[in-house]
Amino acid sequence: SQQGEEDPQALSIQEGENATMNCSYKTSINNLQWYRQNSGRGLVHLILIRSNEREKHSGRLRVTLDTSKKSSSLLITASRAADTASYFCATSDQTGANNLFFGTGTRLTVIP
Amino acid sequence: DAGITQSPRHKVTETGTPVTLRCHQTENHRYMYWYRQDPGHGLRLIHYSYGVKDTDKGEVSDGYSVSRSKTEDFLLTLESATSSQTSVYFCAISSDGTFGYTFGSGTRLTVV
Repeated sequence: SQQGEEDPQALSIQEGENATMNCSYKTSINNLQWYRQNSGRGLVHLILIRSNEREKHSGRLRVTLDTSKKSSSLLITASRAADTASYFCATSDQTGANNLFFGTGTRLTVIP
Repeated sequence: DAGITQSPRHKVTETGTPVTLRCHQTENHRYMYWYRQDPGHGLRLIHYSYGVKDTDKGEVSDGYSVSRSKTEDFLLTLESATSSQTSVYFCAISSDGTFGYTFGSGTRLTVV
């Protein structure tokens, strides 16, 4: 399976702190994406980084990609209680398959 | 979840009965996907469609069939539901299959 793995499985921090989540994957990719899922809801696309990019920013989000290590990290700065959710990485591989492979997710809890 | 709706939102059914879940989109996207989400497994692809009447299997397709007779509708059918198919089912859409997906709110299916 190409399914990625997020680390840690669960993370609990105080409001205002930074949160870092990691994702490892198995095959060569075209791009890697991060999604957020609030409890009982569908996933929401956050950010995409292409295989030829090393770092990308969007608001309080910073994503890095290391294709040599097949890993990515998502940093959320100055966390808020509203950031409490599960975060998933998803990869688009180079086989030409037009679908994404999702990891198992990191459950983030931000304590007010 | 604008542009994509799933029905029903919740369903309880008995083992051995057929069940059909519906995904409806108003975005005119080419690609539509059915995923199931289970604790410890993240999201796993069941089937996807890359056009009207064009479908393909995902990694967990056994026991499921799909149909897409119109661009806007993608149906997932469990021919004879089993307890192992108790899960939350998500539909997703994409314009090109590799970039940001839009997810529905999910269908929670319980097979008793």
